[in-house]
Amino acid sequence: QVQLVQSGAEVKKPGSSVKVSCKASGVTFSTLAISWVRQAPGQGLEWMGGVIPIFKTPDYAKKFQGRVTINADQSTSTAYIEVSSLRSEDTAVYYCARDWSGSTRGGFDAWGQGTLVTVSS
Amino acid sequence: QSALTQPASVSGSPGQSITLSCTGTSSDVGNYDLVSWYQQHPGKAPKLMIYEATKRPSGVSNRFSGSKSGNTASLTISGLQAEDGADYYCCSYAGSDTVVFGGGTKLTVL
Repeated sequence: QVQLVQSGAEVKKPGSSVKVSCKASGVTFSTLAISWVRQAPGQGLEWMGGVIPIFKTPDYAKKFQGRVTINADQSTSTAYIEVSSLRSEDTAVYYCARDWSGSTRGGFDAWGQGTLVTVSS
Repeated sequence: QSALTQPASVSGSPGQSITLSCTGTSSDVGNYDLVSWYQQHPGKAPKLMIYEATKRPSGVSNRFSGSKSGNTASLTISGLQAEDGADYYCCSYAGSDTVVFGGGTKLTVL
């Protein structure tokens, strides 16, 4: 049974960066297709990007290219997302999610508990 | 990569059947049978209800069914129950290992 456990809530200043982690267990990490999805308060789900650790090269939604970095550490079975140049609009709950297909296809059958990132001066 | 279009809200009475729609384009919904549906209750992570347009994960009630025609996917909930009241999101593969979500529909059970 795959389990995804995320790091705790963060409060950041505008212009700074935040890095959120997602530790996987119960599954072969190297072939895990992990995506990051965020949800601003009262808003919908937004796919940010994904990675399959064995292939290393992440994919990003066009909106986030250049400001978001996704990577994965196979030695610790942990995926990361880093968002730079934070602005108030980045205040959201950030989720990691596993795609059951083993590729990024949108079938997210396991989710982390979510990490609230608050951007405030 | 524009968001898929979903109605903001839908309501129904217990026991009724309701259908939620999700409209995309020929670059996403219309080009792949890779549409999924998620149910989300307040403060909770989303739950996968339908994948590959019509398939139901183990453990999901058979009251939930999915379909697709052209650029529009649909989620039908039959025998509506109070606990079905939640936000529902569609999601489609959009090519090049990217996906896109819809804006979500709030389902109210009257």
